[in-house]
Amino acid sequence: RKEVEQDPGPFNVPEGATVAFNCTYSNSASQSFFWYRQDCRKEPKLLMSVYSSGNEDGRFTAQLNRASQYISLLIRDSKLSDSATYLCVVRLDTGKLIFGQGTTLQVKP
Amino acid sequence: DAGITQSPRHKVTETGTPVTLRCHQTENHRYMYWYRQDPGHGLRLIHYSYGVKDTDKGEVSDGYSVSRSKTEDFLLTLESATSSQTSVYFCAASRGGTNEKLFFGSGTQLSVL
Repeated sequence: RKEVEQDPGPFNVPEGATVAFNCTYSNSASQSFFWYRQDCRKEPKLLMSVYSSGNEDGRFTAQLNRASQYISLLIRDSKLSDSATYLCVVRLDTGKLIFGQGTTLQVKP
Repeated sequence: DAGITQSPRHKVTETGTPVTLRCHQTENHRYMYWYRQDPGHGLRLIHYSYGVKDTDKGEVSDGYSVSRSKTEDFLLTLESATSSQTSVYFCAASRGGTNEKLFFGSGTQLSVL
């Protein structure tokens, strides 16, 4: 079993839709959590960190459920420019950073 | 971005030859990472370093070795390249705090024929 698992999708949604991605992790030594965005095999870029209390950044909301060991990302009012691959990342207490395989989002006009 | 430079950017080599990829950073990051990315697998951790001469294995370390003799350089070596090591390789670095972001290099496309 992979340490960090995501549904690869693709998720095809119309502009303006709300879409949610989930990610599960298996290592209880997981310390911190992130969502990264990757465009067309370029280097990934940090979208947002995920905090225990949940956090929001504009149209993006991230949630963490430590008891169930999953994190989520909600995107509201999807834009064409949101089309990308979204990567769930978990940092272990050793400093090791593990990526999920990514979820592909395609927003259509 | 944030002073992470990978070299070379592209390389074509033959099966059985040794290959070394270099990652250089200018921001004094403590942690450095090597990932490979293949279709359907996302980024998979090969090795990482938590300080000079301190390294540890990742998920897919077989066939790879690393060295970090200076803070700024993290080298990835394929002792005897195989076709299964054809991939895009990303180097990344971070300061290492709990919520410190990763800074990535632009990637190296390696083709082993």
